[in-house]
Amino acid sequence: IAGITQAPTSQILAAGRRMTLRCTQDMRHNAMYWYRQDLGLGLRLIHYSNTAGTTGKGEVPDGYSVSRANTDDFPLTLASAVPSQTSVYFCASKASAGYSYNEQFFGPGTRLTVL
Amino acid sequence: TQLLEQSPQFLSIQEGENLTVYCNSSSVFSSLQWYRQEPGEGPVLLVTVVTGGEVKKLKRLTFQFGDARKDSSLHITAAQPGDTGLYLCAGVSLGNQGGKLIFGQGTELSVKP
Repeated sequence: IAGITQAPTSQILAAGRRMTLRCTQDMRHNAMYWYRQDLGLGLRLIHYSNTAGTTGKGEVPDGYSVSRANTDDFPLTLASAVPSQTSVYFCASKASAGYSYNEQFFGPGTRLTVL
Repeated sequence: TQLLEQSPQFLSIQEGENLTVYCNSSSVFSSLQWYRQEPGEGPVLLVTVVTGGEVKKLKRLTFQFGDARKDSSLHITAAQPGDTGLYLCAGVSLGNQGGKLIFGQGTELSVKP
């Protein structure tokens, strides 16, 4: 399947639990991103990776961690979920981090509810 | 913190009407993109504008980048129900290494038949 896949599609999680959201792309894109989308706030960048082996913090990184062991996969981990992390999470990729006009391709999203 | 302010946040119109969505900032952007998002899906790129004053057309959609590259607009002519969705502007600020996007809050458009 070409593009970006995310798993799970949705999840209800008890506060304090650990959760990993998975993201895989098959376009051999160098750059990958994790966003959260909340009503009235648009998309906010959590973490990013310009190339395999490197990661960086975005606008709202607290409570989240990422890794980029290879080009295709970019998992997002919530070490101890809190209700304020209830959101829709989108993974995205771009061919090259350096070109600002390159298109970002988005996955279908994961809807996460923390109770 | 660089911000992109979109207006209006919500827009409900009848089929056939025209509309304009605005995206404004006090910061200069090297490029600006417009995305459209349908319920349950991720955003999809509509257009990228790079040059100040640039105008791009995509069928009934017209996109403009401000001369100073601080603002942009999306104009839809004769809106149709299929135009319904969330429209997001996103920019890359000057000097932003890595090309990370800053998103506006989005404009939720509903076009009624």
